[in-house]
Amino acid sequence: EAGVAQSPRYKIIEKRQSVAFWCNPISGHATLYWYQQILGQGPKLLIQFQNNGVVDDSQLPKDRFSAERLKGVDSTLKIQPAKLEDSAVYLCASSSVGGASEAFFGQGTRLTVV
Amino acid sequence: QQQVKQSPQSLIVQKGGISIINCAYENTAFDYFPWYQQFPGKGPALLIAIRPDVSEKKEGRFTISFNKSAKQFSLHIMDSQPGDSATYFCAAIKRKAGNMLTFGGGTRLMVKP
Repeated sequence: EAGVAQSPRYKIIEKRQSVAFWCNPISGHATLYWYQQILGQGPKLLIQFQNNGVVDDSQLPKDRFSAERLKGVDSTLKIQPAKLEDSAVYLCASSSVGGASEAFFGQGTRLTVV
Repeated sequence: QQQVKQSPQSLIVQKGGISIINCAYENTAFDYFPWYQQFPGKGPALLIAIRPDVSEKKEGRFTISFNKSAKQFSLHIMDSQPGDSATYFCAAIKRKAGNMLTFGGGTRLMVKP
């Protein structure tokens, strides 16, 4: 079974530029999460989708961050414009609905804003 | 407000020793409790998980102890090995709220040979 795929692995941009991250979840997983992990901290949920609907986006800075999950499969997370404090690893995870409910994570995208 | 509190932040254990990491939660809506292991440059990987109606779950050298009344749970790593050196995160899930997953702050474990 293929895992969660994310791209790119690394990205360096200047502040005020825009950036987009892509995630392909495990096949059949209805729930998709985007987390932000700042160095030395636990992952913080940015947005959670179930199929193509948003379950929770309460911690997403909506003035600069946006995410979509068209057709309930792949998802993209965008930052525009980026700030220095957005430097972090952005993790995508997916889980099935019901059952054991464990989430499986991709390797993440390390973003550096300079 | 941190919904899941984890301690200690870092831990050094000798090879063969027992590593113990503790977590506490406040929200009784949490109904599933996984632990994740993360190596540098990798995403978190599920290690072991427990339901709140179970007081203990063991898988190999890893054991979760769960105290529902105290709203606390802990991870014990028996016979700790240098390969266990990683960051460990406890987490809590609200399955009735669409599997909402909240992490603790993490514990960096170093096992000395």
